[in-house]
Amino acid sequence: GESVGLHLPTLSVQEGDNSIINCAYSNSASDYFIWYKQESGKGPQFIIDIRSNMDKRQGQRVTVLLNKTVKHLSLQIAATQPGDSAVYFCAENRPRGAQKLVFGQGTRLTINP
Amino acid sequence: EAGVVQSPRYKIIEKKQPVAFWCNPISGHNTLYWYLQNLGQGPELLIRYENEEAVDDSQLPKDRFSAERLKGVDSTLKIQPAELGDSAVYLCASSLDRERGEQFFGPGTRLTVL
Repeated sequence: GESVGLHLPTLSVQEGDNSIINCAYSNSASDYFIWYKQESGKGPQFIIDIRSNMDKRQGQRVTVLLNKTVKHLSLQIAATQPGDSAVYFCAENRPRGAQKLVFGQGTRLTINP
Repeated sequence: EAGVVQSPRYKIIEKKQPVAFWCNPISGHNTLYWYLQNLGQGPELLIRYENEEAVDDSQLPKDRFSAERLKGVDSTLKIQPAELGDSAVYLCASSLDRERGEQFFGPGTRLTVL
């Protein structure tokens, strides 16, 4: 399953399938991007980050892709599990003033058994 | 290692009343952030501290909001008087410093203003 982030805030996938969550960022000067996972009643939890000099970074079951040409970021989650159900936020670091993270609206991912 | 601690977890108050939120960051983290999160939205930065100095408070509504981090460790965010529109989750986060930027978030305080 795939979402377009700000324009489709919910995504449902079957357990075991791969999911792709998309995010469009606005500032071409942003140099650092982070994906956060937020479960109900909890604060956002760091998943994976990527710097602007990279276009791909892999973690455990997660991959982040960065396309600076079109200012697009995506999070791929492989072999989704029920525990992946959460809201996912992308955040961009606006370098002016240092460490000013700007969060997107978020996408709610639901894993169906 | 303990994470970021916030209290209270929930607060319900009448409008025009004062309210305060407390945050204890991860030990050794010099940078502390307060965010506001409205339902269905991403967190929005209110204020950032480097040790005890507020280095970015441009988004803090200073007519009613105030914050302090007197000894460069724990911090308090206050609203006086609270308005209906202040109902939200107030998140605290900390990081080692502004260069090593992974921010660790607390569970937040959910404020309801009636």
